[in-house]
Amino acid sequence: DGGITQSPKYLFRKEGQNVTLSCEQNLNHDAMYWYRQDPGQGLRLIYYSQIVNDFQKGDIAEGYSVSREKKESFPLTVTSAQKNPTAFYLCASRASDSPSYGYTFGSGTRLTVV
Amino acid sequence: GDSVTQMEGPVTLSEEAFLTINCTYTATGYPSLFWYVQYPGEGLQLLLKATKADDKGSNKGFEATYRKETTSFHLEKGSVQVSDSAVYFCARSGGSNYKLTFGKGTLLTVNP
Repeated sequence: DGGITQSPKYLFRKEGQNVTLSCEQNLNHDAMYWYRQDPGQGLRLIYYSQIVNDFQKGDIAEGYSVSREKKESFPLTVTSAQKNPTAFYLCASRASDSPSYGYTFGSGTRLTVV
Repeated sequence: GDSVTQMEGPVTLSEEAFLTINCTYTATGYPSLFWYVQYPGEGLQLLLKATKADDKGSNKGFEATYRKETTSFHLEKGSVQVSDSAVYFCARSGGSNYKLTFGKGTLLTVNP
């Protein structure tokens, strides 16, 4: 079955460490997105990519980095510069450059700083 | 800019009660409108959508009608079940690359 796979489901990070969250899709979608979800704050866009080898900052990109070397993959690195990284991270993709298409979401990664 | 405003929760209902979750959106352009549902510990799932004015999206007993005159897309269900307990997000497409803009979500709890 086609879908988006995020891994790991739970991730623990020590202070000062970089960690990378994986997002892989086999839907042949062009556009991919990373969101951060905090209680009571809804979804906030971190980065998005509309095509391979290209990506743009979202609303809260500071302390994060991404790459898009393959259509199927859009990993997110949470760097040590992100001062409050504990959150639920969601990856999404979209089928077409059309406003009528919604997103398909992965099941999320919960990151905790220890 | 584009924005979506949905009623603040939490909303607590008894089983078989009628549900309405209000959602309004900024009227720039010709957006498509969506409702997503998130069950605890999971990602978001598309519940329904409408792509133009007066369209009605429906799925699993939920309905929402695209009202251009009131810039609204309220979610309704005639008889909720315990299994409907979740967070519901309203969203609109827009902008030059059709990114989705989400509301802050509404937590629904249905008691038996």
